Amino acid sequence: NAGVTQTPKFQVLKTGQSMTLQCAQDMNHNSMYWYRQDPGMGLRLIYYSASEGTTDKGEVPNGYNVSRLNKREFSLRLESAAPSQTSVYFCASSGRDLLLGNEQFFGPGTRLTVL
Amino acid sequence: GQQVMQIPQYQHVQEGEDFTTYCNSSTTLSNIQWYKQRPGGHPVFLIQLVKSGEVKKQKRLTFQFGEAKKNSSLHITATQTTDVGTYFCAGYGTGANNLFFGTGTRLTVIP
Repeated sequence: NAGVTQTPKFQVLKTGQSMTLQCAQDMNHNSMYWYRQDPGMGLRLIYYSASEGTTDKGEVPNGYNVSRLNKREFSLRLESAAPSQTSVYFCASSGRDLLLGNEQFFGPGTRLTVL
Repeated sequence: GQQVMQIPQYQHVQEGEDFTTYCNSSTTLSNIQWYKQRPGGHPVFLIQLVKSGEVKKQKRLTFQFGEAKKNSSLHITATQTTDVGTYFCAGYGTGANNLFFGTGTRLTVIP
């Protein structure tokens, strides 16, 4: 039981390059999330998927796209990377009913630098 | 939009001293969660509070949810070096589908 896995762990991009961050969970959770973490800013939600086949924008969606490939996998794509997207990216998942509020399980993170 | 603020942003304590972090929301929360993130690590869930005025304890950690469900606190008694990290509160707004995370309090424990 690996929990939430993310690849890659580290990435350096040049401005304008594209890349996809991968996330998978093996806990049969319905909901999955992508956050970015910047110093002093806490965790900010980029996109989330309440269930397979649905995605919704979070607080900071500009410059990103997501795909909920199946129940296990939720990917985040940067089409044209910018230095402002330098950050640590966390994927998370949670189960049960959203309105009841339920704990989120986080992956180890991807440390992305855009030059 | 919904905002969740935490104070202080940083706290340095001598080992054995107590520590408290406070979380305040601009709107009423349906529940609140607390997470701990060790340096270089990822956030890990600690606890969830749901009821107005609720108090929960985990060993040396005491969590409280305000009567108006707009604020919360985490108190650590007699800190240890293992308590080092950043503590985040996170809340679901009423009817909201996602968590709003606070800005976090970074705790340093001096041995």
